[in-house]
Amino acid sequence: AQSVTQLGSHVSVSEGALVLLRCNYSSSVPPYLFWYVQYPNQGLQLLLKYTSAATLVKGINGFEAEFKKSETSFHLTKPSAHMSDAAEYFCAVSHPNTGGFKTIFGAGTRLFVKA
Amino acid sequence: ETGVTQTPRHLVMGMTNKKSLKCEQHLGHNAMYWYKQSAKKPLELMFVYSLEERVENNSVPSRFSPECPNSSHLFLHLHTLQPEDSALYLCASSQTTSREETQYFGPGTRLLVL
Repeated sequence: AQSVTQLGSHVSVSEGALVLLRCNYSSSVPPYLFWYVQYPNQGLQLLLKYTSAATLVKGINGFEAEFKKSETSFHLTKPSAHMSDAAEYFCAVSHPNTGGFKTIFGAGTRLFVKA
Repeated sequence: ETGVTQTPRHLVMGMTNKKSLKCEQHLGHNAMYWYKQSAKKPLELMFVYSLEERVENNSVPSRFSPECPNSSHLFLHLHTLQPEDSALYLCASSQTTSREETQYFGPGTRLLVL
């Protein structure tokens, strides 16, 4: 069975500081992994995805994530936080053979950016 | 219109009302999803339609009734809802023949049941 755990329901950083949002997954086979962002009163927007190609994945808005099989992690980072990055971030995992039907979402991490 | 659209964006209804949520995807996808997002709870998958057939129904109460007349449109019919059904209802679509079947989401309908 697949699962995904996001460590920390809230993360607060200062503007210009490093953003690190943690995601660990559990899967019996190499998974597909996703990060989504949700701004207030909006739907989820795909930030980036890992599909077994390069382990370092670059996404939109300067975010990137690294797939580390040995740590079963897919942490999201951004070198310098901007006020506009304040939002909720969701990590998700799916199985290559079940696809979108079985995409499992984490509980989300709300990112606060302080001026 | 591009992507996934949802109407209405906001809805207030009484417990005896009947209303419908509409979702339309302009991506040429063949699968559509309804999710419920409540405060402080993980995203809950409600229904999945693939090629217009329902393939997933996660023990959702019968007061929620989905309809998928074609691969581009998805409805969620609501009747005799309870206050705890107040939430953000998100629609998503994906292409089941693509390698990783990324889901693309609409903006959601914010529902308040009084």
